[in-house]
Amino acid sequence: AQSVSQHNHHVILSEAASLELGCNYSYGGTVNLFWYVQYPGQHLQLLLKYFSGDPLVKGIKGFEAEFIKSKFSFNLRKPSVQWSDTAEYFCAVTPYSSASKIIFGSGTRLSIRP
Amino acid sequence: ETGVTQSPTHLIKTRGQQVTLRCSSQSGHNTVSWYQQALGQGPQFIFQYYREEENGRGNFPPRFSGLQFPNYSSELNVNALELDDSALYLCASSLDRRYSNQPQHFGDGTRLSIL
Repeated sequence: AQSVSQHNHHVILSEAASLELGCNYSYGGTVNLFWYVQYPGQHLQLLLKYFSGDPLVKGIKGFEAEFIKSKFSFNLRKPSVQWSDTAEYFCAVTPYSSASKIIFGSGTRLSIRP
Repeated sequence: ETGVTQSPTHLIKTRGQQVTLRCSSQSGHNTVSWYQQALGQGPQFIFQYYREEENGRGNFPPRFSGLQFPNYSSELNVNALELDDSALYLCASSLDRRYSNQPQHFGDGTRLSIL
């Protein structure tokens, strides 16, 4: 069955620390990949997306993610986090053959110490 | 542009009852998806509607059903409510389901509590 795994349930960092959140998916075909973010009290918002081309994609607020096809991974990174990055982060996959279905990971809660 | 709006924001029901949740899609979007998000989990895909017809369904029983109207707004109906149905129900709209690279735009959700 198709699935998305996010390795860290809760990550706590200090401001200015570097961030990497892991995401692996299980699906043998072509996929589209997303990272969504949910800030406290807000709805899910798209952070960045990968469809094709350069496997290093840049999103909003200084976030980037790298698609490594051989590892079925799409890790999220940010060189220097800010307190305002405190949120829940969800990795998601859409199989190219099934445009209707988005499969989400269980999420990673990121807490930033000021 | 108007975003995705859901109503009601909170709802309390008892086991065995039926519930209807509503969603207005973002302007110009003809595709609506519904998700269930249990506490501490990621959203789970329930089903998607495209031009008033169901287009894809996740692992949810038939007591979860939906509708999409000509203006692309949508309803999620759940019959014979069970305690495990307590969750946040999210609606998301996208421009057109034929394009898998279209991101989904989410509403704030309806928090459903079953007593």
